Amino acid sequence: GQQVMQIPQYQHVQEGEDFTTYCNSSTTLSNIQWYKQRPGGHPVFLIQLVKSGEVKKQKRLTFQFGEAKKNSSLHITATQTTDVGTYFCAGTNGQNFVFGPGTRLSVLP
Amino acid sequence: NAGVTQTPKFQVLKTGQSMTLQCAQDMNHNSMYWYRQDPGMGLRLIYYSASEGTTDKGEVPNGYNVSRLNKREFSLRLESAAPSQTSVYFCASFERKNTEAFFGQGTRLTVV
Repeated sequence: GQQVMQIPQYQHVQEGEDFTTYCNSSTTLSNIQWYKQRPGGHPVFLIQLVKSGEVKKQKRLTFQFGEAKKNSSLHITATQTTDVGTYFCAGTNGQNFVFGPGTRLSVLP
Repeated sequence: NAGVTQTPKFQVLKTGQSMTLQCAQDMNHNSMYWYRQDPGMGLRLIYYSASEGTTDKGEVPNGYNVSRLNKREFSLRLESAAPSQTSVYFCASFERKNTEAFFGQGTRLTVV
């Protein structure tokens, strides 16, 4: 079945440093979504990418969808303590909606 | 507009007990999903309902049953709870395929 992997599993950064998490799928995706889950909270939708090679920005966050539509990345510039949480990618090949295992980000002030 | 509502928020069960987790959405969404999240882990799909009247197994369906009662409600039942089912359970709904998921607040279940 479809598998979605993410690296790294954990990332500790100093406030102000950049952060990147990578998402890889075993199959071609029709789209990819990114979610953020604060500690003790529930996943909240951030963005969806649909087109091959697509790049979208939300303030300090930059999202990319690979040319082959099998990988994606989320980059945060100059992290802040409010960025703490787990970032999940999720993809669908038209059947199930599958989440990656997430990257847990901690930001040291 | 409450979005996705899950009840209860917390539950402690003894091994062998049964219970039903309730999920309701008020967004007129077609698709509803149940996930479990173990500590430090991602979200694993238990069951989903692509539309009213249909249900399908996900990645980890054993030990669970579901009912899509109507378009609004999708319940998850544990017939005989086991300690391995200790987890946080999230319900999510989608308007249609390839749209964003809206999650409930989660049910934190402990089986002792």
